[in-house]
Formats: sequence, C-alpha cells, structure tokens
Amino acid sequence: EADIYQTPRYLVIGTGKKITLECSQTMGHDKMYWYQQDPGMELHLIHYSYGVNSTEKGDLSSESTVSRIRTEHFPLTLESARPSHTSQYLCASSSPGRSYEQYFGPGTRLTVT
Amino acid sequence: GQQVMQIPQYQHVQEGEDFTTYCNSSTTLSNIQWYKQRPGGHPVFLIQLVKSGEVKKQKRLTFQFGEAKKNSSLHITATQTTDVGTYFCAGNYGGSQGNLIFGKGTKLSVKP
Repeated sequence: EADIYQTPRYLVIGTGKKITLECSQTMGHDKMYWYQQDPGMELHLIHYSYGVNSTEKGDLSSESTVSRIRTEHFPLTLESARPSHTSQYLCASSSPGRSYEQYFGPGTRLTVT
Repeated sequence: GQQVMQIPQYQHVQEGEDFTTYCNSSTTLSNIQWYKQRPGGHPVFLIQLVKSGEVKKQKRLTFQFGEAKKNSSLHITATQTTDVGTYFCAGNYGGSQGNLIFGKGTKLSVKP
C-alpha cells in the first residue's frame, strides 16, 4: 500500500469558513494532484504540481488554491466554503520510476452546511 | 479537449458471469491505465498498457490496448462479489509527463 495520507478524513463545516485539506506522501514523488469526486461519479482534476514551487490548475475550475513548499506536502485551501464545495477530495502522487501510476490517498469527504 | 469515453456506465451481473468495460479515445493515446475503486474507497492502480495491441492478464482480469492505441478494454471472467466497484480507465496523451484523463468509470455490481 502506498504511503499517502490525507487529513481530515471527514469534515462538516459551515458556509464561509476557511478550510485547509492536508495531503502528505512519504514516497518522494515529484508530481502530486488534487481531484474532486462526487460519490460514485467521475474524477475531476482540479490542481497538480510538478514539484516544489510548482502549481497548475487542472481541467475543472475550482475556487480552491494549493501550495507546494515541500516535496511531501500539497495542501488545498478553500478561503470561504460554500455548499457547492460539498464533495470528496482525493490527493494523489506519481513518479516516473513507476511509469507515472498514480497513488491515491484515502480522500477527504467535505460537507458544507 | 481530449476525452476518454467509457461504457457502460453501470453493469449488473450475476456472480459467475463475465464483465467487460470499454474505453475509447478519438486521438491516439501514449498509454492507458486502469484503476479500481471499491465503494467508499479510493482508486487503486491495476495496470498500465503502453504498446499497440498489448494484452495483459491478472488472474481473471484481461486488459487489452487496441492496435491504433485509441481504445482499451477490461474483461473479468467469472465475476466474484469481491469484484464489486467502479473501474476507471485513464488515458495519457502527452507521454510520461502528461496528466491522466479519466473515463467516467463503469460501476460493477455482482449479485451472489
């Protein structure tokens, strides 16, 4: 099993709050990703990073922001949560040494009330 | 933009029946990966196909990559209840540096 962690696993928060979803990996992977997935639905790439100080927006427009100050850490922040942000957020990482197969974290299930 | 179409969206089978899910791209893929997501879980990498016409097997699972590298399939022989989940294909258009484009997934349910 891959070593990629996400906290919290579940979060229920009120509208307008600022939240940060944590993602860490201990595999030394350069590339990291954030996906948004509604239950049982497709994966939407919202952010990715090639390495330290690199962040890019994905295919799905998102009001969230990300940072990559350390290789192992790729947090996602929502400045003002809204009910439309309710979803599951999955973090992943990959490495050229493993043919860029993606290792996913367990996910954070976010509910904004 | 680039899209990977996956069908069917849902498949309900009796335990012991076979199952197949198909992925199709309008443009040539560099490679294709397959993932499985159990209910309530996260996607887990199954396999990557790179070569034209490639066929790979993992026990009861058979993966194929088309000759034109535009389509792929996953076939499960004699399904078991442990096969339940959503199967995603993910296409890579840009070589090893490219991001994956995930299909919408096929949700498999198996009736014992």
